[in-house]
Amino acid sequence: DIQMTQSPSSLSASVGDRVTITCRASQSISSYLNWYQQKPGKAPKVLIYAASSLQTGVPSRFSGSGSGTDFTLTISSLQPEDFATYYCQQSYSTFLTFGGGTKVEIK
Amino acid sequence: EVQLVESGGGLVQPGGSLRLSCAASGITFSSYWMHWVRQAPGKGLVWVSRINSDGSSTDYADSVKGRFTISRDNAKNTLYLQMNSLRAEDTAVYYCARFEYHSGYYYFDYWGQGTLVTVSS
Repeated sequence: DIQMTQSPSSLSASVGDRVTITCRASQSISSYLNWYQQKPGKAPKVLIYAASSLQTGVPSRFSGSGSGTDFTLTISSLQPEDFATYYCQQSYSTFLTFGGGTKVEIK
Repeated sequence: EVQLVESGGGLVQPGGSLRLSCAASGITFSSYWMHWVRQAPGKGLVWVSRINSDGSSTDYADSVKGRFTISRDNAKNTLYLQMNSLRAEDTAVYYCARFEYHSGYYYFDYWGQGTLVTVSS
C-alpha cells in the first residue's frame, strides 16, 4: 500500500496567518492527491482534488501544489472557520490511503 | 440536494455481525462508485471498501477482507456493508462516500453523516 505522511501532526496559528501543511507519498502518485477538511463530529469535506484543483464553493484562500511524492496545502490567511483537521488522500492506487491528519488549532 | 444517510450502527459483541446501510438521494446513484471509510474514536480516516457502479467489482482493505462484504441495490439507491466476525478494533464511525470522477481524477465529494459501530462485551 502507498503510505501517506503528513506534517506537522498539529500546529497552532492565529487568524490571518499563512499556514502550510505537507504530505509525502511513499511512491510517486503523479497528481492523484486530494485534501479534506474535517471539523469535530462532522464528515470530511473536499477542498482540493488532483493536487491543485479547487473544489467548487471552497474559498480561494485554500490552494494545493505538488506532484510525484511531495504535496502542499496552503491557507493564505487563516480564518476562524478554518480551525479543523486536514487530511491528504491518494487516489492513485485501488487501495486508497489517507495521511494521518494535521490539526490546526488556535494560538 | 445530495444526501447520503447511513444507518445500522450500534453496540455489538466481539464475533458478532452488523449490516450498515447508506441511503442515497439527489444523485444518480447507479452511476457512481461508492466507498466505505471509517474513523476510530480520536483517530484518522481509513479506507475500508469500494464497489463499482453496477456492483460487479469490489475491493477491501486487508484489515477487513474476508469479514466484510460491500454490496448495493441500485433500484433502492442503497449501499450496504455486511460486517461479520467483528473485533474491538473495528470500533469506529463508518462513513459512506461517493467517488466523483472529474477530468481523469477521483475524489470523495459527498459523505454521509456517519454511523457509530462499537464492538465490546
